[in-house]
Amino acid sequence: AQKVTQAQTEISVVEKEDVTLDCVYETRDTTYYLFWYKQPPSGELVFLIRRNSFDEQNEISGRYSWNFQKSTSSFNFTITASQVVDSAVYFCALSEARRSSASKIIFGSGTRLSIRP
Amino acid sequence: ETGVTQTPRHLVMGMTNKKSLKCEQHLGHNAMYWYKQSAKKPLELMFVYNFKEQTENNSVPSRFSPECPNSSHLFLHLHTLQPEDSALYLCASSQGQLNTEAFFGQGTRLTVV
Repeated sequence: AQKVTQAQTEISVVEKEDVTLDCVYETRDTTYYLFWYKQPPSGELVFLIRRNSFDEQNEISGRYSWNFQKSTSSFNFTITASQVVDSAVYFCALSEARRSSASKIIFGSGTRLSIRP
Repeated sequence: ETGVTQTPRHLVMGMTNKKSLKCEQHLGHNAMYWYKQSAKKPLELMFVYNFKEQTENNSVPSRFSPECPNSSHLFLHLHTLQPEDSALYLCASSQGQLNTEAFFGQGTRLTVV
């Protein structure tokens, strides 16, 4: 069965510090996708990034970067020079294909990130 | 207009009431999802619909009854709920394929009294 584990329940750092959110996943499929979502206080989950199981290249988008390592089944997310606006709950998710049906997206328990001014 | 719209945003209902949550997506997606988010618990997938057909029921109690009349609309009918059903109910939509992300509504905050 598929599973996503985010061991860090809460993280608090001072503004401008770098912070890494960990994500470990389990799946039996060879083809799958991984995602990161941000949930600000408003409640809506905002999509941040998608990564497929065959692409282990790291990705950088502004202050955000993602490190996908298939060997350790990890997909970690780093925010560089954090800002107060980065405060939110961040979710890692895994998508597995289902024959003749929509993909099933499973979420980790989330990491609450607080950035102190 | 946001891609996925949920109404109402907040709902308080008694255990004997019947109410419905509504979700509408304007993205042309084929798949729609209901998730439940409780305090201190992971996001729980409840139901998945693909082209109006239910493809996943994640052992959800029968007091939750989904309805998907078309690919753009999804309902969650509620009856005889329990206080522990109080949670944020999130609707999402996607193209339905493996390599597409889901887009979420802002959720309905449900309180059962």
